[in-house]
Formats: sequence, structure tokens, C-alpha cells
Amino acid sequence: QKEVEQNSGPLSVPEGAIASLNCTYSDRGSQSFFWYRQYSGKSPELIMSIYSNGDKEDGRFTAQLNKASQYVSLLIRDSQPSDSATYLCAVNGGGGADGLTFGKGTHLIIQP
Amino acid sequence: DVKVTQSSRYLVKRTGEKVFLECVQDMDHENMFWYRQDPGLGLRLIYFSYDVKMKEKGDIPEGYSVSREKKERFSLILESASTNQTSMYLCASSPPGPDTQYFGPGTRLTVL
Repeated sequence: QKEVEQNSGPLSVPEGAIASLNCTYSDRGSQSFFWYRQYSGKSPELIMSIYSNGDKEDGRFTAQLNKASQYVSLLIRDSQPSDSATYLCAVNGGGGADGLTFGKGTHLIIQP
Repeated sequence: DVKVTQSSRYLVKRTGEKVFLECVQDMDHENMFWYRQDPGLGLRLIYFSYDVKMKEKGDIPEGYSVSREKKERFSLILESASTNQTSMYLCASSPPGPDTQYFGPGTRLTVL
């Protein structure tokens, strides 16, 4: 059984600071890694995808992947109150159309 | 923009009823997925399909069936609804392979 672990939070970060969200996964064969943002009552919205070791930056967001440690992280720079949401880490085992395995999410609160 | 639509945002049904949840995507994606999301349990994969008339069981297929007669449409069927199927149901679609999945707005189903 594939597992994806996240700290449920809440993680409270002051406005303007860096928010750091972490995720570990159990399946060493995982190939694709995603971060989704989900506002209360809404569906998940893709923030970042990452497929190879290292960092990937997109605006205020940076995804980091370390396959040897089976670890994925998401950094949010200059955090804004609108970043307050639940962040879901998702992992795909690779190949074919297998569905994603999701973590339970980290609830992030940005304090004004 | 990818658009995934679901037939209802809110649905209330009685125990034992047959329930159909419809999902339509307009991006000609091969892959389609059905998840349910519950507090404390996160998102869990029910069924997925990688082609018309093809289906694969996910992690929690019991009590559900699916139908994919056309590429753009993927239906989730609850043959005899039970109270433990009260949940948020999310449909997603993606291109071939372990690629980004795009979610519909979700259907909140209540079974009384």
C-alpha cells in the first residue's frame, strides 16, 4: 500500500514569511509529484509538479524533491493571507494511468 | 483551460437508492478518475479509466461501479446507496501517463 505522509497542522506563518510544507512517501518507484492547494469547500487546484531531483521554482512557489530520502517539500515565499488553505501532496507511481496517492494535507494559516 | 464539470454540486439521496454521478471533461483526456474525500481520511481513489469502456479499481471500489461509454464522460454509480457513502466526490482527468490531474468542482453527496 502506497503511503504519503504530511503533518496535518495547522501550520501558522506570519504574513510575508516563508511557509515550508513537507511530505514523505513510501513507494520508491514513484515518478511524479504534485502539490495541490484546496480551499475549504472547493476542489484541489494544482500548484506545482516536479519529476526530477532538485528544486523547481514558479513565482513565489518552490518545490523540492529528494528521491533518495523520499521527500518532497513546497516553499511559499512572501506568504499572503490568500495562501491560507490546505495543501495536498500527491504522488504517482509512474507509468500508465494509475491514480494519485494523496497525503491528508497540511492546513496552512497565514497570519496578517 | 481544462474544464471538468460534475452534474451536481449537492445531492441528497435515501438509503438503498441507485445514484448516478456524472463527470464530463472537455480536453480530450484519455484518463479519468473518481475520488472521495472525507475528513481525516483525505482523498481516496475509487475507480479510474484510461480509455473508453476500460476501467480499473482503485483503493476503495466496494459499493461502487463506473461507466465510460464516451471519452469525455465518466460516471460513478452507487448501486444501493448507504449512509457510509456520504462524502465529497471528486472527478479528475489527465492526459496519458503519470501526468497532472485536473479536478472538477466536486459533488457533496448526503445519504439519509
